[in-house]
Amino acid sequence: AQSVTQPDIHITVSEGASLELRCNYSYGATPYLFWYVQSPGQGLQLLLKYFSGDTLVQGIKGFEAEFKRSQSSFNLRKPSVHWSDAAEYFCAVSRRQAGTALIFGKGTTLSVSS
Amino acid sequence: EAGVTQFPSHSVIEKGQTVTLRCDPISGHDNLYWYRRVMGKEIKFLLHFVKESKQDESGMPNNRFLAERTGGTYSTLKVQPAELEDSGVYFCASSQVVNYGYTFGSGTRLTVV
Repeated sequence: AQSVTQPDIHITVSEGASLELRCNYSYGATPYLFWYVQSPGQGLQLLLKYFSGDTLVQGIKGFEAEFKRSQSSFNLRKPSVHWSDAAEYFCAVSRRQAGTALIFGKGTTLSVSS
Repeated sequence: EAGVTQFPSHSVIEKGQTVTLRCDPISGHDNLYWYRRVMGKEIKFLLHFVKESKQDESGMPNNRFLAERTGGTYSTLKVQPAELEDSGVYFCASSQVVNYGYTFGSGTRLTVV
């Protein structure tokens, strides 16, 4: 069955420290890969996506993610976390066709301590 | 451009009542999606419209849920009658056909008591 696993439910990081959120997927073929963020009271915002090509993808707000086919992973990273990054982060995959449904992980809540 | 707008932002209803959620997509976006997140679970796909037609409704949980998209513009999702397990956050998203990228609304938090 197709699934996305985010093993960390909640992570706390000090402001200015680096961040890595893990995402593993189970899919028949290499899917499209996404990271979304939901801040309190807001909708889901697309951080970045991977379709093909360079496996290191740059996104908004200083985030990047690396696709590793051998590990079926798409981990999200940021070198220096800001207090405003506190939010819930979702990894998602879809079939390699525009417009198809997303399969989400359960999300990781990020807290930032001062 | 205006984003995806959902009404209401919150709704509290009693078990057995009917609730209608509305989604206004970004103008010109032919694709409209409904997703749902129940507490502690993943965000799950419900259905996909292309213009006014249902392209994929494989995620609709049962026949108490009815989605419509009038004239290919806004969409409604009706739950009738509502059950306790229907509580959660209902998200709507829209996209253009050729520009892969969903824009999500801020969701409707439905609480059935």
